[in-house]
Amino acid sequence: GQQLNQSPQSMFIQEGEDVSMNCTSSSIFNTWLWYKQDPGEGPVLLIALYKAGELTSNGRLTAQFGITRKDSFLNISASIPSDVGIYFCAGISWGKLQFGAGTQVVVTP
Amino acid sequence: KAGVTQTPRYLIKTRGQQVTLSCSPISGHRSVSWYQQTPGQGLQFLFEYFSETQRNKGNFPGRFSGRQFSNSRSEMNVSTLELGDSALYLCASSPTASSSYEQYFGPGTRLTVT
Repeated sequence: GQQLNQSPQSMFIQEGEDVSMNCTSSSIFNTWLWYKQDPGEGPVLLIALYKAGELTSNGRLTAQFGITRKDSFLNISASIPSDVGIYFCAGISWGKLQFGAGTQVVVTP
Repeated sequence: KAGVTQTPRYLIKTRGQQVTLSCSPISGHRSVSWYQQTPGQGLQFLFEYFSETQRNKGNFPGRFSGRQFSNSRSEMNVSTLELGDSALYLCASSPTASSSYEQYFGPGTRLTVT
């Protein structure tokens, strides 16, 4: 089930802008994952985070594992049209895997 | 290494019929999880199989069932289809139990029930 609070639900941005989204929970997680889903396709793993405070980059994407272990952030810099899609966070904690509801990103030229 | 494959990609069925979806995990992965995705609902967990045994089950009616074979391939079956079963069904695999490792998703099967 989805017990992670992911925000914003959607965002409309102009090409070249930076994008920020986050996931929060009342529970502590051992691992945070960020996925991107293109229309009609399955989610693709973007970044995996394993330690509190960890900051990891993958190209223009940067994600952080919150110090409290209850949140994570994903930033996309200098957005381009192909960044459009739904971004999901997921947390793994003591035998449970939970997904956020997703952030819909629309990029306008 | 080939990714997760799902067949068929698209399916149209009539209410009351049954359907079987197939998933082949990444080579070496032993865990397969199934999800239902509908507009606005996000990913709803159906069940997870690990080494041919169901490890976890989501909150879905008994019409939804699955199994895993010795080669880790998995099938999902939905009986007595309802209109509300129209969705994208996603399969994900991981090397160990999904609760311990990140999952890799297939492209999904788009099921339409008319």
